[in-house]
Amino acid sequence: GEDVEQSLFLSVREGDSSVINCTYTDSSSTYLYWYKQEPGAGLQLLTYIFSNMDMKQDQRLTVLLNKKDKHLSLRIADTQTGDSAIYFCAEIARGSTLGRLYFGRGTQLTVWP
Amino acid sequence: EAQVTQNPRYLITVTGKKLTVTCSQNMNHEYMSWYRQDPGLGLRQIYYSMNVEVTDKGDVPEGYKVSRKEKRNFPLILESPSPNQTSLYFCASSLGTGGYTFGSGTRLTVV
Repeated sequence: GEDVEQSLFLSVREGDSSVINCTYTDSSSTYLYWYKQEPGAGLQLLTYIFSNMDMKQDQRLTVLLNKKDKHLSLRIADTQTGDSAIYFCAEIARGSTLGRLYFGRGTQLTVWP
Repeated sequence: EAQVTQNPRYLITVTGKKLTVTCSQNMNHEYMSWYRQDPGLGLRQIYYSMNVEVTDKGDVPEGYKVSRKEKRNFPLILESPSPNQTSLYFCASSLGTGGYTFGSGTRLTVV
């Protein structure tokens, strides 16, 4: 559960869709999360998905989980300038306690007007 | 308002001078945790607690201590701070599977 990989940067135009990708090495991860961090702020939980699900949708956010490839993605529809932030993928591995949450290094999303 | 409160927000201190960063949550959460955030390294877990008097090491516990005497409080103690502990620190709490709620952060500089 210690190796959560994300690309560091993503730029999109306002109104387009953004897709932020994450790969994890622990195929038995049980819970996976997406957090958002705006400049100078703490982390805000956006959404999460359990390993027995393939997809979860919440308004403009869609999370896709491919357990075979150990790949998690966050799609933001109709991206706005207010979506510019760092997005972190995080996981709790099977066998870990629920307090043991591993984070990726974050993807800096920049939205151009 | 449900929240995690950590203090201070900013702190500059000198090497070797003991300090404590306080953390309190009002959500009756069992789990609490401390993370540090450094450029290019993301968030790394320092310590976490599953309940009162139950704590465990995270990925980078060296140079830090914690205690959980009450459910709502989880202070982070640096007995002898060093410059490599200059970082942005976050406290967080959780009920379990729903993910952590984070505080606003404490920016610590050790000179």
